[in-house]
Amino acid sequence: QVQLQQWGAGLLKPSETLSLTCAVEDDSFSGYFWTWIRQPPGKGLEWIGEINHLGSANYNPSLKSRVTLFVDKSKKHLSLNLTSMTAADTALYYCARGPGYDHVWGTYRPLDHWGQGILVTVSS
Amino acid sequence: EIVLTQSPGTLSLSPGDRATLSCRASQSVSNNYFAWYQQIPGQPPRLLIYGASNRATGIPDRFGGSGSGTDFTLTITRLEPEDFAVYYCQQYASSLPTFGQGTKVEIK
Repeated sequence: QVQLQQWGAGLLKPSETLSLTCAVEDDSFSGYFWTWIRQPPGKGLEWIGEINHLGSANYNPSLKSRVTLFVDKSKKHLSLNLTSMTAADTALYYCARGPGYDHVWGTYRPLDHWGQGILVTVSS
Repeated sequence: EIVLTQSPGTLSLSPGDRATLSCRASQSVSNNYFAWYQQIPGQPPRLLIYGASNRATGIPDRFGGSGSGTDFTLTITRLEPEDFAVYYCQQYASSLPTFGQGTKVEIK
């Protein structure tokens, strides 16, 4: 059974750095990219970036200068750092499994398992 | 960036009704790398449909996806009480995956 468990600081001051971790229980950890998504309160979903078990990462250009994703494949831990936080970064932050290749349908399957989400508030 | 526009913004229906949700992309989505998610308040999104028409594991067959290119549709044939939620479309064909703004399906 696939499970993603997230933790990290939920209240930050402007200019501080956000650090979140996502622990993965998945025997197929190396077969997927792992994605971070955020959702401002009452709003839609924004793709932050993705990383695989080798540490190869892709980032949203709008956040690329401030975000870094890490992976510890021995622990199956994913981490997100986002620097220079502002009120505009206040959001629910999720980690999710995907994309990964679906051998049954011969296509890529996107975000099929999600963490519980961490509400991060930026306030002075 | 591929912009996804969902319509309508809100759909007011009754249990047992048929729901049709639309999503239009600003450019063609290659390989039908297109998905639909359901989000119930207080929960993370749940994958319903991927590859434009494939149901994810455990998704009831009253949920169906169709479309290609720039126009995609999610159909819920008979609404159950647990289906009243917000639905998001997503394209994952480009190097910057994007989501639609959401359609809320509410009880009439």
